[in-house]
Amino acid sequence: NAGVTQTPKFQVLKTGQSMTLQCAQDMNHNSMYWYRQDPGMGLRLIYYSASEGTTDKGEVPNGYNVSRLNKREFSLRLESAAPSQTSVYFCASRDRDWYEQYFGPGTRLTVT
Amino acid sequence: KQEVTQIPAALSVPEGENLVLNCSFTDSAIYNLQWFRQDPGKGLTSLLLIQSSQREQTSGRLNASLDKSSGRSTLYIAASQPGDSATYLCAVRHNFNKFYFGSGTKLNVKP
Repeated sequence: NAGVTQTPKFQVLKTGQSMTLQCAQDMNHNSMYWYRQDPGMGLRLIYYSASEGTTDKGEVPNGYNVSRLNKREFSLRLESAAPSQTSVYFCASRDRDWYEQYFGPGTRLTVT
Repeated sequence: KQEVTQIPAALSVPEGENLVLNCSFTDSAIYNLQWFRQDPGKGLTSLLLIQSSQREQTSGRLNASLDKSSGRSTLYIAASQPGDSATYLCAVRHNFNKFYFGSGTKLNVKP
């Protein structure tokens, strides 16, 4: 039981490049989330998926797209990376009964 | 918009002290509150989850309380140890799928 896994762990991009961050969970959770964490700030919600086939914008969705590929996987795409997207990105899933969140180890992204 | 504040931003205590971390939120219409621990360069580990109908939760040396009406939660750590050094974050569930996080309290427990 791996919980929530994320790939890659680290990534450096040049401005304008694109990439996809991958997330998978093996806890059979319906809801999944993408957050970003910046120094001195709490985690901010980018997108979430309440169930397979649905996605919704969070607090800071601009510049990102998401895909809920199946119940296990939820990916985050940066189409044209900008330095303002330098951050640590966390994926999380939530259990249905208690609304407790479980987090992945994070992806550290630098955009130069 | 829900805002979550954690004060102090950093705290340094000698080993063995009991300590309290604070979390406040502006909108009391929350469904639950969760405390997390984050070690440097790592993800978040859930410590305690308090439902809106509960007043407190305990796990080992940790006790979290919730006062919804005043918009406050506290995390009490008894007999602190150097291994407790980490950043502690609180998060509130404000509606069905929206969670709001504080910026955390960085705790250093000195041997």
